[in-house]
Amino acid sequence: DAMVIQNPRYQVTQFGKPVTLSCSQTLNHNVMYWYQQKSSQAPKLLFHYYDKDFNNEADTPDNFQSRRPNTSFCFLDIRSPGLGDAAMYLCATSRDTGAFYEQYFGPGTRLTVT
Amino acid sequence: SQQGEEDPQALSIQEGENATMNCSYKTSINNLQWYRQNSGRGLVHLILIRSNEREKHSGRLRVTLDTSKKSSSLLITASRAADTASYFCATDETGANSKLTFGKGITLSVRP
Repeated sequence: DAMVIQNPRYQVTQFGKPVTLSCSQTLNHNVMYWYQQKSSQAPKLLFHYYDKDFNNEADTPDNFQSRRPNTSFCFLDIRSPGLGDAAMYLCATSRDTGAFYEQYFGPGTRLTVT
Repeated sequence: SQQGEEDPQALSIQEGENATMNCSYKTSINNLQWYRQNSGRGLVHLILIRSNEREKHSGRLRVTLDTSKKSSSLLITASRAADTASYFCATDETGANSKLTFGKGITLSVRP
């Protein structure tokens, strides 16, 4: 089945220690998104790629970066995680960024910062 | 910034009852989407309604959209325990480059 896969499902890192979360998709979608979701809150868009074009949200901290080496994979790098970065990180894809495309989400990676 | 606001924040019903959840938003939209999220999982797309549509059905789901009131409702009929989840509305604001903005969500509990 075509899907969005996130690894690992649970990640524990130390304060200040860089961490990378990965996302892959078999849907061959042009767009890949990264969201941060804290407990009982709305998913918050960090950035997205349309093909190789990177689109950062204005309020995404510089601590968060992303790479998309090919259509299938996208990575979220947190350079120096703080306690406030503990959250669920959701990867999503969509066929295009036109107005009427639904997004397909992976299961998420829950990040704990100790 | 948060666009959608769901109401109520939490809803508990008995299996077999209908569940109605509401979403209000602030600006003009291209479409409104509803997603479901089971505990600790990713979101699953349920239904998309375009700004020129008033009502849409999908199985046990019925979505309405009132652009004059900037509101939408999601009705789940004949609820099941498996419908227990959080439900989010997400809006695609006009001119926002198709970015989806999610509300905080409604927690639905369906008691067996």
